[in-house]
Amino acid sequence: GAVVSQHPSWVICKSGTSVKIECRSLDFQATTMFWYRQFPKQSLMLMATSNEGSKATYEQGVEKDKFLINHASLTLSTLTVTSAHPEDSSFYICSARDQASIPDTQYFGPGTRLTVL
Amino acid sequence: RKEVEQDPGPFNVPEGATVAFNCTYSNSASQSFFWYRQDCRKEPKLLMSVYSSGNEDGRFTAQLNRASQYISLLIRDSKLSDSATYLCAVNPGGGGNKLTFGTGTQLKVEL
Repeated sequence: GAVVSQHPSWVICKSGTSVKIECRSLDFQATTMFWYRQFPKQSLMLMATSNEGSKATYEQGVEKDKFLINHASLTLSTLTVTSAHPEDSSFYICSARDQASIPDTQYFGPGTRLTVL
Repeated sequence: RKEVEQDPGPFNVPEGATVAFNCTYSNSASQSFFWYRQDCRKEPKLLMSVYSSGNEDGRFTAQLNRASQYISLLIRDSKLSDSATYLCAVNPGGGGNKLTFGTGTQLKVEL
């Protein structure tokens, strides 16, 4: 299956700092990537859709100025959590859409566990 | 009503048992359906897509019932290694190819 990497795997930061998370599709091109957040014992919640070469589309309730998304190439999307606070601590997972697969399928990165102190 | 609903479980079954999970969805226009497996503190991994005609992959069988708006996953001869949370995912259509996930069903296979 298609491979998606995510970096870093985990990060601990102080409140008020910004954290950048990278998502890469390693063996396919992804014009669309997705960013999710998952709190303990809860489902994945879609935060935003990242589109290569254009602005991201954010889900209702997700602050676009707090969660900055950049999809500069067909294999890389980044999510920057700006001015992080303890309530932003969560498991952030990206997925990349492989349009060549039938049906059109999303493959997930290994996730980034963010802890904000 | 939630867009995608699953019984959270846990389902505790003995090794070798057959177990089935259902997942209901509310949007009748939903276009594609998937089962993912998620281990504790890991990312979801695609288990299988779900086709209208049903599909089978080894011990796993997935079915789609559009009339009743649910998908199912059947696991035969369950192994200890099948212990995980099983997430169903639905593409509701309408463009964007977004997926809506259920909360997952936890399976524990025991000796």
